[in-house]
Amino acid sequence: DAKTTQPNSMESNEEEPVHLPCNHSTISGTDYIHWYRQLPSQGPEYVIHGLTSNVNNRMASLAIAEDRKSSTLILHRATLRDAAVYYCILRDEGGGADGLTFGKGTHLIIQP
Amino acid sequence: NAGVTQTPKFRILKIGQSMTLQCAQDMNHNYMYWYRQDPGMGLKLIYYSVGAGITDKGEVPNGYNVSRSTTEDFPLRLELAAPSQTSVYFCASSYQGPNYGYTFGSGTRLTVV
Repeated sequence: DAKTTQPNSMESNEEEPVHLPCNHSTISGTDYIHWYRQLPSQGPEYVIHGLTSNVNNRMASLAIAEDRKSSTLILHRATLRDAAVYYCILRDEGGGADGLTFGKGTHLIIQP
Repeated sequence: NAGVTQTPKFRILKIGQSMTLQCAQDMNHNYMYWYRQDPGMGLKLIYYSVGAGITDKGEVPNGYNVSRSTTEDFPLRLELAAPSQTSVYFCASSYQGPNYGYTFGSGTRLTVV
């Protein structure tokens, strides 16, 4: 699976939108973009995933660049509970049964 | 639904001891995974299973064994514990792979002294 690059950490204020970037310049046409987050002392939890089109769900929005070399996870109104490590992961559609590869992610700090 | 349940939550082992980390899911998921996470690092895949009776190695399988006799349970066995196995262990399940989303357990924090 292709590699992703995320900032080590980001800081934002409560009740403001947060844009978490992810670069994946070597993405292939069949790579899905997955986002997970890990709250302190918990296991990761699924946030969102997409292939080409922007995606929305109750937790977040995923904006995918037209050339697919980058994507942005958008939290529309951050709360203190959104403080977590956010992982951007690429996974080929036909990549087999083995698991997702989690890097170090972005540590999101929310200031009250 | 309980989701993915891991037991125990914490454990201290002495070097050379053995133990089994338990993982159970009640979502009728076919795929199950074991990961470990060292401090400040991402997760590394130890073993995975696509159904009862089928298991396969991940990135870091040495020192571990698994079995999958039922759809619900996927225990991880540590034989001859070593300090390098000090880590947080997460079990996850999925209906049928990444595009169905993974559900993770809350983890087992293991210290080997």
